[in-house]
Parts: sequence; structure tokens; C-alpha cells
Amino acid sequence: DSGVTQTPKHLITATGQRVTLRCSPRSGDLSVYWYQQSLDQGLQFLIQYYNGEERAKGNILERFSAQQFPDLHSELNLSSLELGDSALYFCASSVSGGEGIQYFGAGTRLSVL
Amino acid sequence: GENVEQHPSTLSVQEGDSAVIKCTYSDSASNYFPWYKQELGKRPQLIIDIRSNVGEKKDQRIAVTLNKTAKHFSLHITETQPEDSAVYFCAVFSGNTPLVFGKGTRLSVIA
Repeated sequence: DSGVTQTPKHLITATGQRVTLRCSPRSGDLSVYWYQQSLDQGLQFLIQYYNGEERAKGNILERFSAQQFPDLHSELNLSSLELGDSALYFCASSVSGGEGIQYFGAGTRLSVL
Repeated sequence: GENVEQHPSTLSVQEGDSAVIKCTYSDSASNYFPWYKQELGKRPQLIIDIRSNVGEKKDQRIAVTLNKTAKHFSLHITETQPEDSAVYFCAVFSGNTPLVFGKGTRLSVIA
């Protein structure tokens, strides 16, 4: 167990819908990262938050948004869902905002039907 | 920005043989190089990492070597076992951007 908690584990929804994925980082970690992993694909970096502020942005679609709350948990909002958004979404956390070990959660598997 | 290339994309070895996965990077200021292992359906987990002031690091059957001049680093797994079968990702940290991951290597250890 990495100490990073992601909920829900599985999510099944329809095209056009909106979902929210939640992540609680390890105790003491200030940074949260979101990644998308499609079938047999690598880890696509979406966005990073550090202590409540957006720190870096990757290949995140405009239909997607995220935030980090004062208690440091983070939410990833996916809207106007398309079939191609079906993927495994990982959250990771680290102590600092840059160099350092990232600890991954177990992921949320999103299926858009 | 940083560009990380990982080779090979797939690798099959006989149990007991060694496996080597190589990554190259572009930013000479990069200073932290972790390797992650992802078993099927599981989360990526750190297995070993190295910093730019070190040329080699070992942990039992796993080792990582770094060549800063050539800007590449490699993961070496000796005496491979079936449980080593997984996808391995290299990653690079340089400056203020988050880790940049390679595209992964699917390792299959054949018993």
C-alpha cells in the first residue's frame, strides 16, 4: 500500500456525462499528480498541484479540470465524456514539487459506454 | 522540454537470463532518474532510482547505470524470474518540470 488513496476504483458512465475522481495523497505529501493510462499505453501526465496551486500542466484536455483543496486532497473532473476517455487514471503524490519519489495510487478505471 | 526515449518496447528473456532496458534523455541538467515497475492491472511502483552524482546503484538483482556524458541510463535485471514480468518505465527529472516518463518496456520472462 503506497498510502495514496483513490476513489472510486471503477466508474462506468455514458458518453456526454461528467465524473469526478478523487485522490488523497500520502500524509505529509504536498504535491499531487494526475496521469492517464490508456490500454497498453504509457503514463500520460495531465496536471500537477503543489500545496493547493497548479504547478505544471501536461496534455490535459479542456474538458478536464482539477483542483487541490486545503486538506491537500485533489479531484479530477472529466466532462462531456467520450469513448476515448476510457482509461486508467492514476494519482501520485510526492513530498516536494519536483525531484523526488512519486507514490502512485491504485488508480480509477473509467469506462465510457 | 525534456525528451525521454526508452528501448526496447518489448523484451522476452528466458528465466535466469539477464534483461537490460535503456533510456536516453535530452536535457543535460537532468539529475534524478527513477525506474518504475507496473504489474498487470496494478499501480506503478518505484524499484530503484539514481541521482546524477552517482554512476551505478545496485539492489540485489536490480542495478541502474548512468552515463551523464552520453545522456543515457539503463536498468539491469539479473537472474530473471517469472515475477519480474511487468512493464518497466524509466523517468527523468530536470529542473522545475515533473518527472518525464518513457513509454515503457513490456518484459516477459519465459519459464
